[in-house]
Amino acid sequence: GAVVSQHPSRVICKSGTSVKIECRSLDFQATTMFWYRQFPKQSLMLMATSNEGSKATYEQGVEKDKFLINHASLTLSTLTVTSAHPEDSSFYICSAKGTAQETQYFGPGTRLLVL
Amino acid sequence: AQSVTQPDIHITVSEGASLELRCNYSYGATPYLFWYVQSPGQGLQLLLKYFSGDTLVQGIKGFEAEFKRSQSSFNLRKPSVHWSDAAEYFCGAGGTSYGKLTFGQGTILTVHP
Repeated sequence: GAVVSQHPSRVICKSGTSVKIECRSLDFQATTMFWYRQFPKQSLMLMATSNEGSKATYEQGVEKDKFLINHASLTLSTLTVTSAHPEDSSFYICSAKGTAQETQYFGPGTRLLVL
Repeated sequence: AQSVTQPDIHITVSEGASLELRCNYSYGATPYLFWYVQSPGQGLQLLLKYFSGDTLVQGIKGFEAEFKRSQSSFNLRKPSVHWSDAAEYFCGAGGTSYGKLTFGQGTILTVHP
């Protein structure tokens, strides 16, 4: 149980385009989902927390207009990188937790490369 | 401010040797504590967690961790390392009801045959 998927696993896009990443909880209802960014050889940096049906809460320094997060259902959250630039290239990981648990379960990550 | 520190960036052990990865936290109260493992290009897999109760917790793949309040530590141990344990290990702590986690810097484990 507690499986989280992400799609796509890898995406290459041109500078200036927008990219959408999906995060799904496959076997539980995720009341809260988290989006992280991980640079090579570094730890995970929390970007934002989203609760189903509510606006996401962004960490300090994260541009909410650039990284749009939607958590419209209890099994799906999306992260859209708008007008992507090469500096947005990174590994994006989502995690999810249900109401009755304190444990976050992580997706496999999405590698974004902006050319 | 809440923080998690993993003092060792890189550890190398021989296969079959014992392992201990260190984790120290700084929180206002006893946080929830986690250890995750990440293989290259992959997400994080939960190894074990501590919420309360017995301070020695058992996890998957033969790992265990001990919570020591007096030392603000939650060190991960394994008595005999396998080559497949080579990966990066992250200690995480959370203390709020909505579950936000703070991660340490990670420790890369290399296993020599």
